Amino acid sequence: NAGVTQTPKFRILKIGQSMTLQCTQDMNHNYMYWYRQDPGMGLKLIYYSVGAGITDKGEVPNGYNVSRSTTEDFPLRLELAAPSQTSVYFCASSYSSYGVYEQYFGPGTRLTVT
Amino acid sequence: EDQVTQSPEALRLQEGESSSLNCSYTVSGLRGLFWYRQDPGKGPEFLFTLYSAGEEKEKERLKATLTKKESFLHITAPKPEDSATYLCAVRGGGGADGLTFGKGTHLIIQP
Repeated sequence: NAGVTQTPKFRILKIGQSMTLQCTQDMNHNYMYWYRQDPGMGLKLIYYSVGAGITDKGEVPNGYNVSRSTTEDFPLRLELAAPSQTSVYFCASSYSSYGVYEQYFGPGTRLTVT
Repeated sequence: EDQVTQSPEALRLQEGESSSLNCSYTVSGLRGLFWYRQDPGKGPEFLFTLYSAGEEKEKERLKATLTKKESFLHITAPKPEDSATYLCAVRGGGGADGLTFGKGTHLIIQP
């Protein structure tokens, strides 16, 4: 199993550009999450999904959108990129949050907006 | 609002020098406390889940314990390869269905 994979690894965007961060998991997990990690700060939850077709906001959703059309994929869309979105983005998945299972993380996407 | 505070922010130890990392938390109805290890440029790697006060879990040189207010990650006779940032996170009973993370403890083990 590859686990959780993310693409791209690095990206530089200009202010106002848009992009999609890709996330795929091959563990047949129902739950998927997007976090951002800023230097010296804890990971912050952006959006999460409890299954295909169901998504919900986390702590810091402004400026982002998500969709979940399949169990495996959970892309994160940035519209009109801003310097405040410069961060490292991590995708994670877990079997079931109701049963409080551990989350498994991808390697991250480092995004710079200039 | 769930909160997690980790201390110290950074810790430098000699190889073989045992120590403990602290994770203090406030949460409405703890459903789970998680420890992760994060190497530079990598995603967090799962270590332990603790569910209730008094619970302990061990893995090699690491041992995690839990009380009603805090968790400790004890590192016994550490090696240089244990150098990493250790993250603590909680899953509370309400709010969004994700984890609340602390800022982490950056651990350096010198040979």
